[in-house]
Amino acid sequence: VVMTQSPLSLAVTLGEPASISCRSSHSLVVSSGGKADLAWYLQKPGQSPHLLIHVASKRAPGVPDRFTGSGSGTDFTLKISRVEAEDVGIYYCMQGLYTPTFGQGTRLEIK
Amino acid sequence: QVAGSGGLVAQAGGSLRLSCETSDFSLREHTMFWVRQVPGKAPEWVSLISWSGGSKFYAESVKGRFTMFRDITENSLSLEMTSLTSDDSAVYYCARGAWEEKTCTTITCRGYIDSWGRGTLVTVTS
Repeated sequence: VVMTQSPLSLAVTLGEPASISCRSSHSLVVSSGGKADLAWYLQKPGQSPHLLIHVASKRAPGVPDRFTGSGSGTDFTLKISRVEAEDVGIYYCMQGLYTPTFGQGTRLEIK
Repeated sequence: QVAGSGGLVAQAGGSLRLSCETSDFSLREHTMFWVRQVPGKAPEWVSLISWSGGSKFYAESVKGRFTMFRDITENSLSLEMTSLTSDDSAVYYCARGAWEEKTCTTITCRGYIDSWGRGTLVTVTS
């Protein structure tokens, strides 16, 4: 399963919104109304990735509510309502319904 | 918490064993992953073992060369890597899995990674 993210890089002014897309080559939902096995991670410079969102839209504990995940089937989006300096890093989507695969990553920087 | 071993070096054709000690949770309760990442590239899944230990899966790129083990009594995980090549050079992460649907199929155990270790840099020299 191929995960395709866009854009690959993003420069955003502090306080402005940001949006990242992740598209899967196969549907990540097993049955109608089911949850998608899609997670979002942020890897800050020099650190391991950490979980932001799972099953496409559930925020992990401690993740600020400015992060919102949405989507179903093959198309998913991560939105940051107001970018802060600490949001800088590389964002990855990952599917866990099939043999796990990651997107190429989207680098977020401050303009 | 998930803690990996320090940086390791091996020659091409050689072997290495990575270790990962876990605390605050039982390996019986979680799928566990090994994921590697070449600096500047996206992570690549390497292997996973189910909460029961009854299912193990490997990426095609390492199948037949890498073996995942777990020790329930020590609450530790290891990855035995053989026939190493330069393509195996990467940071290797031990990671804990979670799920909404606790299911393993013929190709994977469904879910996601909810906690990543610090990573171990593996360098394979020719």
